[in-house]
Amino acid sequence: GAGVSQSPRYKVAKRGQDVALRCDPISGHVSLFWYQQALGQGPEFLTYFQNEAQLDKSGLPSDRFFAERPEGSVSTLKIQRTQQEDSAVYLCASSFIGRETQYFGPGTRLLVL
Amino acid sequence: QKEVEQDPGPLSVPEGAIVSLNCTYSNSAFQYFMWYRQYSRKGPELLMYTYSSGNKEDGRFTAQVDKSSKYISLFIRDSQPSDSATYLCAITNNNAGNMLTFGGGTRLMVKP
Repeated sequence: GAGVSQSPRYKVAKRGQDVALRCDPISGHVSLFWYQQALGQGPEFLTYFQNEAQLDKSGLPSDRFFAERPEGSVSTLKIQRTQQEDSAVYLCASSFIGRETQYFGPGTRLLVL
Repeated sequence: QKEVEQDPGPLSVPEGAIVSLNCTYSNSAFQYFMWYRQYSRKGPELLMYTYSSGNKEDGRFTAQVDKSSKYISLFIRDSQPSDSATYLCAITNNNAGNMLTFGGGTRLMVKP
């Protein structure tokens, strides 16, 4: 079956540009997570949705980061006024509600010049 | 100090060797323990999942958890070049939607 998909796979932005990253979770997965993975590091939690409700955004590094999931399926992570330190791989994961195991997408590799 | 510590490697072994990968964690509230494998430029792929102390085996992979020592391990028997990847331990405490706390990953290279 179809896994988690993310687009674009690669994004190059000039410093100061806004970017939008998309995640399509596995059908039926209520929970959706965003993680940020810096080069050579493990993923770090950014935010969590249950259906359309954003229940935890404690990992978002600044108010330039914004995530939404308006219809409880597709989610978008938006980064405003990108900075070089935002360069990373952004991973989306989904799971059934209450289940510990999460399934990851391939990630979007963001490079800010 | 990070909540989950993992030796970054790289770890280089010959084909057929037994590989031992380890993580330590500091928060005793953690209850669920996972190992993910991540190939270059790919997303993490779930390998093993356990919630209790002891061993869990799946083919060539064995996950071991020692909650008293806050120590988890992944053993790979008869390692293959296709096992070359970064291995991430991930832990959760069954709240906040089960957000995962990851180690930094260990890069493994299995040489033919």
